[in-house]
Amino acid sequence: GEDVEQSLFLSVREGDSSVINCTYTDSSSTYLYWYKQEPGAGLQLLTYIFSNMDMKQDQRLTVLLNKKDKHLSLRIADTQTGDSAIYFCAESIRNQGGKLIFGQGTELSVKP
Amino acid sequence: EAQVTQNPRYLITVTGKKLTVTCSQNMNHEYMSWYRQDPGLGLRQIYYSMNVEVTDKGDVPEGYKVSRKEKRNFPLILESPSPNQTSLYFCASGLGEEKLFFGSGTQLSVL
Repeated sequence: GEDVEQSLFLSVREGDSSVINCTYTDSSSTYLYWYKQEPGAGLQLLTYIFSNMDMKQDQRLTVLLNKKDKHLSLRIADTQTGDSAIYFCAESIRNQGGKLIFGQGTELSVKP
Repeated sequence: EAQVTQNPRYLITVTGKKLTVTCSQNMNHEYMSWYRQDPGLGLRQIYYSMNVEVTDKGDVPEGYKVSRKEKRNFPLILESPSPNQTSLYFCASGLGEEKLFFGSGTQLSVL
């Protein structure tokens, strides 16, 4: 069945790069997403990548997609304390009407 | 401002007392969906709607009902809430498979 896996925690120092990893099982994914959830808030769409792309860059964010290994990563350059949050990887499944399969979320802690 | 609005933000209730969580979007999206978020499980889809009067079950629909009488609203109904429905609920809307927009969430506690 469909499954998305993420590590639960990541801790980095301010100014370093953060890399959050995600693996998924369904090869029919159309889009893959990264959402950010700050404490007490809803989910904010950070970026997404179409399944036929390998890389997408958006300011400090770089998304890499390895379709062969079903591996997605989010790199945050020059990580700031304001980046501390939970990051969810999600995939949308072809022909399932917008349904997203979410990972468990990675809690990113940025230390000054 | 484009947004998905959920109400209430926080709700404490008792077992068996019917409740409704409202969701409204102002983006004219055809697609709307409800998710619940539980620690260690990520978000799981409860119900979704592809358009007015079209709803379908997600992965965890038991104990929930929805309706889609008009495009902008998609309420989530718990006819007889139970403690295992204590969770953080999110409503989302979108044009389809791209770019779901999420509400701010409703934290429900069932005692």
